Amino acid sequence: AQTVTQSQPEMSVQEAETVTLSCTYDTSESDYYLFWYKQPPSRQMILVIRQEAYKQQNATENRFSVNFQKAAKSFSLKISDSQLGDAAMYFCAYRFGGQNFVFGPGTRLSVLP
Amino acid sequence: EAQVTQNPRYLITVTGKKLTVTCSQNMNHEYMSWYRQDPGLGLRQIYYSMNVEVTDKGDVPEGYKVSRKEKRNFPLILESPSPNQTSLYFCASRLGRTYEQYFGPGTRLTVT
Repeated sequence: AQTVTQSQPEMSVQEAETVTLSCTYDTSESDYYLFWYKQPPSRQMILVIRQEAYKQQNATENRFSVNFQKAAKSFSLKISDSQLGDAAMYFCAYRFGGQNFVFGPGTRLSVLP
Repeated sequence: EAQVTQNPRYLITVTGKKLTVTCSQNMNHEYMSWYRQDPGLGLRQIYYSMNVEVTDKGDVPEGYKVSRKEKRNFPLILESPSPNQTSLYFCASRLGRTYEQYFGPGTRLTVT
């Protein structure tokens, strides 16, 4: 079965500091995509970053970057210079095949002023 | 404005009373999906569609139906809702296989 594990239900970070959210996944697929989504209190799902499994280079989007370890099936998200607006639930997700998405249980991130 | 809309946003209903949650996108996307979100479980895919008249089951399809008669609409139907279907529901769409997924605002459903 395809699964995504986020072992940290809650995390907190001081404003301007760096935090890393962990994610591991289990798959036998060779072609897949990995994502991090942010869900603020408004409940809107917002794509933060995506990574194609065939690309060795880690994806980055401004203050957000990933550490993709394909052999270890690990896909962690690093948020640099944390801001109050980064406080949200973060979901790691994995897509395989044409339309099959599997999400992790989420990590709630608090940003302390 | 490019968007995915869902209606209603909030719904409280009783066990067994049929209901439909509508989903519409104005981006001419081929792919559409329905998810439910529950605490500690993240989002789980209910059904998805890769084109008009093409639908398939996700991980948790029991108790749900969908249809895709037009490209822009993908309604979720609960023929006989039960309390275990109380959840937050999201519709999503994307242009094609390698494209970003856009989510609707969510529908909070409570079945008593």
